[in-house]
Amino acid sequence: AQKITQTQPGMFVQEKEAVTLDCTYDTSDQSYGLFWYKQPSSGEMIFLIYQGSYDEQNATEGRYSLNFQKARKSANLVISASQLGDSAMYFCAMREGRDSDKLSFGAGTTVTVRA
Amino acid sequence: SAVISQKPSRDICQRGTSLTIQCQVDSQVTMMFWYRQQPGQSLTLIATANQGSEATYESGFVIDKFPISRPNLTFSTLTVSNMSPEDSSIYLCSVFFPGAGLANNEQFFGPGTRLTVL
Repeated sequence: AQKITQTQPGMFVQEKEAVTLDCTYDTSDQSYGLFWYKQPSSGEMIFLIYQGSYDEQNATEGRYSLNFQKARKSANLVISASQLGDSAMYFCAMREGRDSDKLSFGAGTTVTVRA
Repeated sequence: SAVISQKPSRDICQRGTSLTIQCQVDSQVTMMFWYRQQPGQSLTLIATANQGSEATYESGFVIDKFPISRPNLTFSTLTVSNMSPEDSSIYLCSVFFPGAGLANNEQFFGPGTRLTVL
């Protein structure tokens, strides 16, 4: 079964607007971490934001925020005030358990920012 | 954060040959990870490289095809052996830095090696 599901293969957003990227996950562990990465066309993986399963507040990093809904097992990424440089592939990933360092990745969402 | 470098950044290889990819980290880390990203796909974990012991391979990946070395806490190599066009992918190494608090758990990736097999 898929551990991370990203249902949006691609999205278009107007410059300066906000965009929400969906991510749902499946785990039976109580302790887990959720990550979002950005992958531009160059291929590098850029760490954006992290949310721990026990974090009571939603994570924020600059223009990135994570809408964490634990009961729904969703961890949506919100990018505010989109910029042309935000055009990239975005991956949601999960690390399960306290002792595991392995990441499971979703299929990714391609974001295209229009001027 | 960590500075991770990979060599080569890209290569074009002939079928049947082997390529060794190097990953260098500017800090000592216990575990390093090797991922593969096939064209248009997501990342898949190949193996976990532990210093001083055999690498741990994920289902579908074997040591004969992807031998890994981990001679010290800042360096690892992944070899793609007897290559075929299906091995054309981006190969990325990754390290994890557990922090004092949950908010400091970060996992970083190298810039990747873009491999094309003809």
